[in-house]
Amino acid sequence: DAKTTQPPSMDCAEGRAANLPCNHSTISGNEYVYWYRQIHSQGPQYIIHGLKNNETNEMASLIITEDRKSSTLILPHATLRDTAVYYCIVRSLNNAGNMLTFGGGTRLMVKP
Amino acid sequence: DAGITQSPRHKVTETGTPVTLRCHQTENHRYMYWYRQDPGHGLRLIHYSYGVKDTDKGEVSDGYSVSRSKTEDFLLTLESATSSQTSVYFCAISGGLAGSTDTQYFGPGTRLTVL
Repeated sequence: DAKTTQPPSMDCAEGRAANLPCNHSTISGNEYVYWYRQIHSQGPQYIIHGLKNNETNEMASLIITEDRKSSTLILPHATLRDTAVYYCIVRSLNNAGNMLTFGGGTRLMVKP
Repeated sequence: DAGITQSPRHKVTETGTPVTLRCHQTENHRYMYWYRQDPGHGLRLIHYSYGVKDTDKGEVSDGYSVSRSKTEDFLLTLESATSSQTSVYFCAISGGLAGSTDTQYFGPGTRLTVL
């Protein structure tokens, strides 16, 4: 699976959009971009994933560049409960049984 | 959230004692996983299961065994706990469907301390 690069930390004001970037310049054609987050002491929480089209669900939006070498996770109206470490992971299809490789992630601090 | 529970949630034990952690799912997912999380190492896969009685080793399997006698339960056993096995243990599940992206969903974790 391709490696990812994320900034180690970011701040965001409560109520504003949080835009978390991720670089995955070595991604290959059959690899998806996944986002998870981990709130302190809890299990990682799945947020969203995508291949090449932008995706949106009730938690977030995922914007993937046309060349697929980078992506941005958008939390449209961040709340204090969104304070967490966010992980960007690239995985290929049919990867059942393979471990998820969590890098350092981005520690997002949402401030009042 | 996926129906995954782990028990116990916290445990303190002594070196040399056996310990069994339980993961229970209500999603009827085929795959189940055990990870451990330690500072500086991220999550590392210990063992996983791809069906009843079907298991395989992960990245850090030494000192651990697993069993899956029912679809819904995946047990992790430390035969003789050591201080290096002090960690937070997470169970995960996935559908394992062919052609899918096989999203993994995680349980709440078990914090194990070996004295």
